Amino acid sequence: SYVLTQPPSVSVAPGQTARITCGGDDIRTKGVHWYRQRPGQAPVLVVYDDTDRPSGIPERFSGSNSGNTATLTISRVEAGDEADYYCQVWDSRSDHVVFGGGTKVTVL
Amino acid sequence: QVHLVESGGGVVQPGGSLRLSCAASEFTFSNYALHWVRQAPGKGLEWVAVISYDGTKKYHADSVKGRFTISRDSSKNTLYVQMNSLKPEDSAVYYCAKAQGDYVGSPGDYWGQGTLVTVSS
Repeated sequence: SYVLTQPPSVSVAPGQTARITCGGDDIRTKGVHWYRQRPGQAPVLVVYDDTDRPSGIPERFSGSNSGNTATLTISRVEAGDEADYYCQVWDSRSDHVVFGGGTKVTVL
Repeated sequence: QVHLVESGGGVVQPGGSLRLSCAASEFTFSNYALHWVRQAPGKGLEWVAVISYDGTKKYHADSVKGRFTISRDSSKNTLYVQMNSLKPEDSAVYYCAKAQGDYVGSPGDYWGQGTLVTVSS
């Protein structure tokens, strides 16, 4: 089965840039989606299809996907960005949705 | 504004059954695929199942295949998951999510607040 690998945690100072990676075999061939989940809340879609943002999501959130790694970049990090972030793909070989293990972003 | 409300969670003994419901409103229900996703306490997101916009395609995670069945009723704008032969490891908050499109691989663009299932004797 397809596996997505994320770092367990990322720490970043306010105003700096956070980069969260999502590794998978030839992931560049898949559309990668990213979710933010604040404590006690439901997930929120922040990037879909590698690079697109839903309405209402700030431009500070951006995505890229190349080779075996997709990346969510959060620019000018704010305290409110502190949350768990998950990447997700659709694996057409197994007809399964696959989530990464999640990355906890801490704002110092 | 899209609204999804899960219900049916609770405490059940191992081997028991539950049916979760997700009432949907403020969008054209029959145009979108729908997902169930769960999250055990302190753990990450785990996909459970997805159903196509017309109910003809259903896919389940290996961990629940043969025990859980996803379904939908467009006359009631409601998504279901029937959970049988429950195990303690099925204990989690269960979320329903509207897919962004009719394609089963579309991401979830709106999520409910979840319903808690606890499997314990």
